[in-house]
Amino acid sequence: GAVVSQHPSRVICKSGTSVKIECRSLDFQATTMFWYRQFPKQSLMLMATSNEGSKATYEQGVEKDKFLINHASLTLSTLTVTSAHPEDSSFYICSARNPPDATNEKLFFGSGTQLSVL
Amino acid sequence: DQQVKQNSPSLSVQEGRISILNCDYTNSMFDYFLWYKKYPAEGPTFLISISSIKDKNEDGRFTVFLNKSAKHLSLHIVPSQPGDSAVYFCAAFNAGGTSYGKLTFGQGTILTVHP
Repeated sequence: GAVVSQHPSRVICKSGTSVKIECRSLDFQATTMFWYRQFPKQSLMLMATSNEGSKATYEQGVEKDKFLINHASLTLSTLTVTSAHPEDSSFYICSARNPPDATNEKLFFGSGTQLSVL
Repeated sequence: DQQVKQNSPSLSVQEGRISILNCDYTNSMFDYFLWYKKYPAEGPTFLISISSIKDKNEDGRFTVFLNKSAKHLSLHIVPSQPGDSAVYFCAAFNAGGTSYGKLTFGQGTILTVHP
């Protein structure tokens, strides 16, 4: 298997603040990481694909200026929710394939971050 | 637009009996399907998959059935064990001849297996 570590697991913040979520591949190099979001009673939805050393690819309807993704190294991708509002409250989770060109059976997930914006 | 649906939010089963988790999809381009299992405070982990060229795939206590005409798949766990209690996600994608692609997930079903 492979380990993907996500931090923090839970964050509560005030409206208007920015929140950074980290996703690390602990025992493998991840040239690509994926960020998902899950609202209550809804599906995990892909937000963006994070590419090491280049710009992230965002899914339709996801604001790239609000959800800043940085993938500066082969083992770390960060998602920053800028100027968070209550409607951004959701479960955010990252994943990566090991090896990078592996099948979806080799897609490993972090444990997720529950964001609550007051 | 919910392309993958798990219409049962929860399922409760007695230990030793069969658990059947269902999943429906609407996108006819999907040709590869996976089930993931998620424990609290952990990320989902891969459980079993099936390609659209098959109608059944079995791995130990876990069997996935695919009915392409009905756009329906199901995960059977038999016999069910208390350790199977978790959230189960169905996911689908268009492999298009490759082995990976953008996953579309269902909402998840919470399975509880009672001793």
